[in-house]
Amino acid sequence: AAGVIQSPRHLIKEKRETATLKCYPIPRHDTVYWYQQGPGQDPQFLISFYEKMQSDKGSIPDRFSAQQFSDYHSELNMSSLELGDSALYFCASSLEVSGELFFGEGSRLTVL
Amino acid sequence: GQQLNQSPQSMFIQEGEDVSMNCTSSSIFNTWLWYKQDPGEGPVLLIALYKAGELTSNGRLTAQFGITRKDSFLNISASIPSDVGIYFCAGSHGGSQGNLIFGKGTKLSVKP
Repeated sequence: AAGVIQSPRHLIKEKRETATLKCYPIPRHDTVYWYQQGPGQDPQFLISFYEKMQSDKGSIPDRFSAQQFSDYHSELNMSSLELGDSALYFCASSLEVSGELFFGEGSRLTVL
Repeated sequence: GQQLNQSPQSMFIQEGEDVSMNCTSSSIFNTWLWYKQDPGEGPVLLIALYKAGELTSNGRLTAQFGITRKDSFLNISASIPSDVGIYFCAGSHGGSQGNLIFGKGTKLSVKP
């Protein structure tokens, strides 16, 4: 079965640079979530989109923005990168009514 | 913010033993989910619980949604080496607030 696809899997950036992560949800899933997971930490919710509209917002820094496109894929844009932004970034998708979130393999961002 | 208290933090067991871990919350959730995460990979959904008191099995895994809707447990019977990983509980209010709040995880080590 098709899963959530994230790209790139690994990304290395310098401080103050910009990064963009992409997420392709499971087909027919209408909701996308972004999570950030630091080393040894649990995933922290950043932001979610339902039917291309922002549905909920968590601990997403103002330097980050995200959107969901007409084909339901989503992009997380991160600007003015800081060392503390180094983490695994996960995208998850669901059918809103199901409550079951399915996660991608993640994108590992390293900021040097 | 809301927090989930997950215990134990880590477990070292012998292959063949049963395992039990649990999560408690100060607030009510409509959905409880249990995930397993391997290093550098995305969380994989194990079991989803939707009703207070619900007891659900998935192979050697059994999970229950507490009657008060503030707690859940996960049992693994007859553990095997591939059960090694980090297990997370997660709670959701559902609907437009479908984002998950995660516990801190239980790291399971299995000795052959």
